[in-house]
Amino acid sequence: KQEVTQIPAALSVPEGENLVLNCSFTDSAIYNLQWFRQDPGKGLTSLLLIQSSQREQTSGRLNASLDKSSGRSTLYIAASQPGDSATYLCAALSGYSTLTFGKGTMLLVSP
Amino acid sequence: GAGVSQSPRYKVAKRGQDVALRCDPISGHVSLFWYQQALGQGPEFLTYFQNEAQLDKSGLPSDRFFAERPEGSVSTLKIQRTQQEDSAVYLCASSPGGNEQFFGPGTRLTVL
Repeated sequence: KQEVTQIPAALSVPEGENLVLNCSFTDSAIYNLQWFRQDPGKGLTSLLLIQSSQREQTSGRLNASLDKSSGRSTLYIAASQPGDSATYLCAALSGYSTLTFGKGTMLLVSP
Repeated sequence: GAGVSQSPRYKVAKRGQDVALRCDPISGHVSLFWYQQALGQGPEFLTYFQNEAQLDKSGLPSDRFFAERPEGSVSTLKIQRTQQEDSAVYLCASSPGGNEQFFGPGTRLTVL
């Protein structure tokens, strides 16, 4: 059974810092790895999706990498801003369509 | 609207009541998923539909939970005889058949 772990559980940084969020998964037979953002009381917003054949994806200040062999993915956020404050979830797509989520990293960026 | 919508957004039920949660997927999306997210946890898979067929219901926590998608579009998640441990956010997602899932805002269920 796929298990996804995210480290750290919470992170507080001053505005402007670059930061890395970590995600690990136990079963490397995944179709893709997806990073989501969740604001309090809201649903999930997809940030980046990395197909199993890819190594990384970039969108603006966000860069996500995937290393299937080691079962790891990282989300890099450059020049963090207070508006980046949210919970970040990673999810691995295995089997035919089932996403397995980590518990998330709660990020607070202070001005 | 262009996205996945869910209703109601908030539901308070007394223990023992039945509830029905609705999901309107993105038009034309073949696949539909339900997830349960407890406080402080990541979402957990409940069930999956492809068109009107329920292909996987292995994540439903008990036989009090029932989901349907009779015409392959709108889906309803029904919980009978609600218990306090059913309190959670219920998320619906749809997919055009590829790998990416698009999520709705969720329904927050509180069972008193």
